[in-house]
Amino acid sequence: DADVTQTPRNRITKTGKRIMLECSQTKGHDRMYWYRQDPGLGLRLIYYSFDVKDINKGEISDGYSVSRQAQAKFSLSLESAIPNQTALYFCATSDPGAGEGDTQYFGPGTRLTVL
Amino acid sequence: AQTVTQSQPEMSVQEAETVTLSCTYDTSESDYYLFWYKQPPSRQMILVIRQEAYKQQNATENRFSVNFQKAAKSFSLKISDSQLGDAAMYFCAYRSAYNYGQNFVFGPGTRLSVLP
Repeated sequence: DADVTQTPRNRITKTGKRIMLECSQTKGHDRMYWYRQDPGLGLRLIYYSFDVKDINKGEISDGYSVSRQAQAKFSLSLESAIPNQTALYFCATSDPGAGEGDTQYFGPGTRLTVL
Repeated sequence: AQTVTQSQPEMSVQEAETVTLSCTYDTSESDYYLFWYKQPPSRQMILVIRQEAYKQQNATENRFSVNFQKAAKSFSLKISDSQLGDAAMYFCAYRSAYNYGQNFVFGPGTRLSVLP
């Protein structure tokens, strides 16, 4: 089974709708992240969480919110989706104490289309 | 702020040949980590190789190796004996070793095609 899972894998929604993307991990990592991927821009950080009580904004947090329900679960919400939020969204985890330079381990991604 | 540049949006290589993907970065820090990630058509982001800036020796992982030139701020990826399964987007990424509150910085990616 995959260590980092995301649901749904694909989603089409309409402008103005609220949508939640969910991420779960079995790696036991404290740190979790949400990224957005757009063509030609690489990945950009939306939010990150170093533990259940520590949540921080990333580079492009406007229009997004997150919830860290447990060590293993980190959800991303779009309160009112707009077309320019159409993108590929990745959840990632890391363990800074593993001596790996905080290597990010990614989920399979969620393709979101906002019409 | 750190930036990562990949100047080759697309590259192609013949199967069994060798290809080098370029990456340059801009930083004022002396200690950091550099990564190459692979994204095949399945969309999954897969770690290919990692380099610690304080290490002189270039990292290698089987057919994948890097040429890390710290003074030039260059971090290229060499793929030897290219295989069809190497076809993917490749992303270079930078991570500060000083402030773990900072995020990874990713380059825009290079799309590699492998020709049979």
